[in-house]
Amino acid sequence: NAGVMQNPRHLVRRRGQEARLRCSPMKGHSHVYWYRQLPEEGLKFMVYLQKENIIDESGMPKERFSAEFPKEGPSILRIQQVVRGDSAAYFCASSLHGGSDTGELFFGEGSRLTVL
Amino acid sequence: DAKTTQPNSMESNEEEPVHLPCNHSTISGTDYIHWYRQLPSQGPEYVIHGLTSNVNNRMASLAIAEDRKSSTLILHRATLRDAAVYYCIPHAGGTSYGKLTFGQGTILTVHP
Repeated sequence: NAGVMQNPRHLVRRRGQEARLRCSPMKGHSHVYWYRQLPEEGLKFMVYLQKENIIDESGMPKERFSAEFPKEGPSILRIQQVVRGDSAAYFCASSLHGGSDTGELFFGEGSRLTVL
Repeated sequence: DAKTTQPNSMESNEEEPVHLPCNHSTISGTDYIHWYRQLPSQGPEYVIHGLTSNVNNRMASLAIAEDRKSSTLILHRATLRDAAVYYCIPHAGGTSYGKLTFGQGTILTVHP
């Protein structure tokens, strides 16, 4: 079974450009979570999505960031008009069930965004 | 989620057991105790979780104090591949979901 697949693994953007990060969850998983890890900081929850629905976006910055998980295709984290402070590693995770009492989130290897 | 306290760093020698402690004195009765680890330049990886009883799996053991205010992750024989940041995460089960609160964790160094 393929794990959580994220692409691109590395992305370089200039200030003001758009960044699109993709995440394909594990087969059969319909719950997707995005986390961000700023340099020298811990992982922070951003958003939780199920197919076609945003369940919790309490960790998303109010502006420029959006996420979707369409019926078909990967989940997308979109950052418009990137700034240097957006430089970070973005991790996607998926789970079979919505309740984490099953114990296990499966994380991808991350997408590392560098803003010049 | 409950606040956790973990040592900033620990060191071990290869093939020796490692005990990684975590204090979570404000844990609620329904919080599971999850442990994840993050190897360099990789995403977090689930290690183990438990509620009240001690738990064992192929990766590690989890010893939970009787009052649940602390727990210890036990790696029985450390390998170089176990060098990582280890996160202890109390988290509500049931209808909750994968909104985990990662602290700073413990950086484990394993010496050959």
